[in-house]
Amino acid sequence: RKEVEQDPGPFNVPEGATVAFNCTYSNSASQSFFWYRQDCRKEPKLLMSVYSSGNEDGRFTAQLNRASQYISLLIRDSKLSDSATYLCVVILTTGNQFYFGTGTSLTVIP
Amino acid sequence: GAGVSQSPSNKVTEKGKDVELRCDPISGHTALYWYRQRLGQGLEFLIYFQGNSAPDKSGLPSDRFSAERTGESVSTLTIQRTQQEDSAVYLCASSMPLAGGLNEQFFGPGTRLTVL
Repeated sequence: RKEVEQDPGPFNVPEGATVAFNCTYSNSASQSFFWYRQDCRKEPKLLMSVYSSGNEDGRFTAQLNRASQYISLLIRDSKLSDSATYLCVVILTTGNQFYFGTGTSLTVIP
Repeated sequence: GAGVSQSPSNKVTEKGKDVELRCDPISGHTALYWYRQRLGQGLEFLIYFQGNSAPDKSGLPSDRFSAERTGESVSTLTIQRTQQEDSAVYLCASSMPLAGGLNEQFFGPGTRLTVL
């Protein structure tokens, strides 16, 4: 079983829409969580960390549900520039690895 | 400041040849990771270096793959006797671990390897 699973999409939404992605993780020893963004043919870049209490950064809201072992990313008022692949990342309390999901593709349509 | 750099940006090689990919991490970052990303796929962990500790090589797919790091600076990933299945983007990332945990990774632009 994969450490991290994401719905690959694609999600095609109109400008201004609200869209949410979920990511599930298999290991309850998971310690830290991130969302990364990867533009086409570019390297991944950190979008935001995910804190236990949930956190917001502008139009982006990240939440963690430890009981159900998933994290979510909510994007409000989608912009064309939000079109990208969104990768969730999990780090275990033991070991050195960042476990990346395969990514969810988002296209915001004019 | 300078980010993670990788070279070459593109490499085309013939099946059976050896290739060497280079990564220059952000200065002061003690942790360095190599990943492989095939077209349309997620990131596949290859190897991890942390300071002077023994590297975590658990992700290397075969003994044709090896990597070295000089102290806390440059790293090279070597693929011997390349196969067409090795075609992918090879990404390097560096990080400064925090006490008690791992910190954000900063990625280089990657090396796009094509094996003919």
